[in-house]
Amino acid sequence: SQKIEQNSEALNIQEGKTATLTCNYTNYSPAYLQWYRQDPGRGPVFLLLIRENEKEKRKERLKVTFDTTLKQSLFHITASQPADSATYLCALLIKAAGNKLTFGGGTRVLVKP
Amino acid sequence: DGGITQSPKYLFRKEGQNVTLSCEQNLNHDAMYWYRQDPGQGLRLIYYSQIVNDFQKGDIAEGYSVSREKKESFPLTVTSAQKNPTAFYLCASSKHSMGGTTSNQPQHFGDGTRLSIL
Repeated sequence: SQKIEQNSEALNIQEGKTATLTCNYTNYSPAYLQWYRQDPGRGPVFLLLIRENEKEKRKERLKVTFDTTLKQSLFHITASQPADSATYLCALLIKAAGNKLTFGGGTRVLVKP
Repeated sequence: DGGITQSPKYLFRKEGQNVTLSCEQNLNHDAMYWYRQDPGQGLRLIYYSQIVNDFQKGDIAEGYSVSREKKESFPLTVTSAQKNPTAFYLCASSKHSMGGTTSNQPQHFGDGTRLSIL
């Protein structure tokens, strides 16, 4: 079965620095990879989607890369702000698994002023 | 504002009791989903529905049931057969893509229902 690994340890970072999160997967190659933000007690909010034939995607201060050879996605938050503090989830859509999204466990980010 | 509404926010279940979680969306989305989230774990898919009057089991459907009688509504019943129901339950929806599938569309989530055992 598909396994998705995100760093379970919280990432503490100083305001203004770049936060980098990893999402590693095994077995099947996903068709799409999505990143979501989740605040405590709230539902996830969609941030970015990157396709298997795309290397990089940007949205404002966010950047996502997708390396199908390494089976890894990196999620960058540049010029981080305390308001960026949240848990970030990656989710993979695998065609071989019936086109359903499979979520990683998320990485908590804490941006200190 | 369009969105997904889940209710109640907190729910308590007694032993042997069935409870129903509500999920309503006004986004005119075709597909709806139910996930379960346990601390430190990713979301796990319970059931999903791509069209009214049709739904499919997800990865952890045992002990749960759903219905999809209206496009806007996708209630989840946690039955007494679910022996470990304490969790955070999330409902989501997505629209069909141009190809008629929901595969590459982002999912829109409600703010969840936290279910606990009395």
